[in-house]
Amino acid sequence: DGGITQSPKYLFRKEGQNVTLSCEQNLNHDAMYWYRQDPGQGLRLIYYSQIVNDFQKGDIAEGYSVSREKKESFPLTVTSAQKNPTAFYLCASRPAGPVYNEQFFGPGTRLTVL
Amino acid sequence: EDKVVQSPLSLVVHEGDTVTLNCSYEVTNFRSLLWYKQEKKAPTFLFMLTSSGIEKKSGRLSSILDKKELFSILNITATQTGDSAVYLCAVRRGTNFGNEKLTFGTGTRLTIIP
Repeated sequence: DGGITQSPKYLFRKEGQNVTLSCEQNLNHDAMYWYRQDPGQGLRLIYYSQIVNDFQKGDIAEGYSVSREKKESFPLTVTSAQKNPTAFYLCASRPAGPVYNEQFFGPGTRLTVL
Repeated sequence: EDKVVQSPLSLVVHEGDTVTLNCSYEVTNFRSLLWYKQEKKAPTFLFMLTSSGIEKKSGRLSSILDKKELFSILNITATQTGDSAVYLCAVRRGTNFGNEKLTFGTGTRLTIIP
């Protein structure tokens, strides 16, 4: 089955610890995205990557880091510098090309920092 | 600053009613507007609107875009309990393929009472 997987579903961490969220897709999509969703707010873009070995900051990149060493993988690290990391994190991907195709979302990871 | 505003924030109606969800936007380099449905975790794609005045329709759902007045509406007729979800509006913006991003609204939480 083709799709986007995120792991784990729920993650608990102590304040001050770095944590890495996994995002994998087997859709052969070129572009991948990380969003954060807080209660009462829309999705906010953290980082995105259009091709392997390249990524750009989104609207709220501070305190986060990413890598794109493989086409199918786009892990997100929440560092201790992120002031309010507790949130629901969504990964998305879409194919590249001259015609825009919508983003497909993974099931999300709910991160709670204690 | 780019912004996407959805209204109402929440809506409770009875099964069989018709609802209209609103999305207004102010963004630079507008390219298209997308609607997503989020039931539990992953948002699922509904429509993408690029041209003004052309209605997109899928079953009981329909949507239209007004690029002059900078808004879109999502209509759901003969609502069912399965329509209960958060409906997200997102605006695709960017000057070229490499920097295209989505800006999301806060969402409208729709609850259908049997």
